[in-house]
Amino acid sequence: DAGVIQSPRHEVTEMGQEVTLRCKPISGHDYLFWYRQTMMRGLELLIYFNNNVPIDDSGMPEDRFSAKMPNASFSTLKIQPSEPRDSAVYFCASSYSTGPPSYEQYFGPGTRLTVT
Amino acid sequence: DQQVKQNSPSLSVQEGRISILNCDYTNSMFDYFLWYKKYPAEGPTFLISISSIKDKNEDGRFTVFLNKSAKHLSLHIVPSQPGDSAVYFCAAHSSNTGKLIFGQGTTLQVKP
Repeated sequence: DAGVIQSPRHEVTEMGQEVTLRCKPISGHDYLFWYRQTMMRGLELLIYFNNNVPIDDSGMPEDRFSAKMPNASFSTLKIQPSEPRDSAVYFCASSYSTGPPSYEQYFGPGTRLTVT
Repeated sequence: DQQVKQNSPSLSVQEGRISILNCDYTNSMFDYFLWYKKYPAEGPTFLISISSIKDKNEDGRFTVFLNKSAKHLSLHIVPSQPGDSAVYFCAAHSSNTGKLIFGQGTTLQVKP
């Protein structure tokens, strides 16, 4: 299996522009997670989906952030408009379950976003 | 409100010695704890875990200890190797939300 695939790997954009991050989870995984990594707060969960349905979006920082999962093999995280404080590494992860016996999540390589 | 804290941003040890990474948590509803390792330009990868009903779990050079009364867990790496140099994240599973809560990470450097 190719693992979780994210694109682009790097994104540099100007403040005010729309940014779309993409993720392909591991085939057969029912759960998909979007995280943001910053130095101050580490890995923060933004939103997660179960069977393509958003379950918990309490971590989404503002209305500027939105996420969709139109099918089991694709998800997007969109920021519109982007701001410099959105600069971070964004990770997508997938898993079989959020309960026992498998709590393990498999992460993609991340997208490094820089907003100037 | 940081429910999982890794108070040491970095740690440096000599090859062959023991590395001890620490993690504190505040929520009694956490029922499972995991450690992830992250290399530069890669995503975190699962390393080892422990259920809240246990106090120790060992896997090769890696051992995780859980002290529930102190709400503290630690990861021991013995012996440390240069390839262990990475960022280590502690994570806690919330039994009532199903989410993993991550700490800020600790950067481990193992010197040859």
